[in-house]
Amino acid sequence: QSVLTQPPSASGTPGQRVTISCSGSSSNIGSNYVYWYQQLPGTAPKLLIYRNNQRPSGVPDRFSGSKSGTSASLAISGLRSEDEADYYCAAWDDSLSASYVFGTGTKVTVL
Amino acid sequence: EVQLVESGGGVVRPGGSLRLSCAASGFTFDDYGMSWVRQAPGKGLEWVSGINWNGGSTGYADSVKGRFTISRDNAKNSLYLQMNSLRAEDTALYHCARDLEVTVTGAFDIWGQGTMVTVSS
Repeated sequence: QSVLTQPPSASGTPGQRVTISCSGSSSNIGSNYVYWYQQLPGTAPKLLIYRNNQRPSGVPDRFSGSKSGTSASLAISGLRSEDEADYYCAAWDDSLSASYVFGTGTKVTVL
Repeated sequence: EVQLVESGGGVVRPGGSLRLSCAASGFTFDDYGMSWVRQAPGKGLEWVSGINWNGGSTGYADSVKGRFTISRDNAKNSLYLQMNSLRAEDTALYHCARDLEVTVTGAFDIWGQGTMVTVSS
């Protein structure tokens, strides 16, 4: 049972904007950076966002991250068919023994 | 080409042991922290363990603490995960992942394709 909660699914048509939420607490999102990963079917995860809103080189600016309090969001603008994938948020959790935790994951479907 | 290649997975009985390896190439291995992340079939991602650039600092998920040991050999550009007292719930695809920094920050920018571990009697 993850401490970071995401909606199981999200969808949109090509060109639309889709937002994925990630809900945590003061011991994780509230006090640490948030990271976002994209996992295409049958492949290893790919880093999309680090330190809440930073994009690694090569990640399109259609992907953006934000954080407010104990929640974070990933926005995908100009949705494309190749964006159909699972998306995971992640953060360090300082409760008890510090541990890095992933969110429950969100499946994005391009209609 | 920057690459991580895992090996050592297989089928093991409950209570057994396994040692996973991750061979790094195409970058200066000791400039980066490293981690192991696993994914059970049809499930989400779970961070297992991480180690800083020189092995002086390590961390573990509560689910594996006391059973798994992470280590690295910078001379061999290799990362390891010694897994003891394996349980059915350890069945997963195990990925090694490179961090953006010398410590383990959680920004895993390079991933291997994984090695499958199946714990079954």
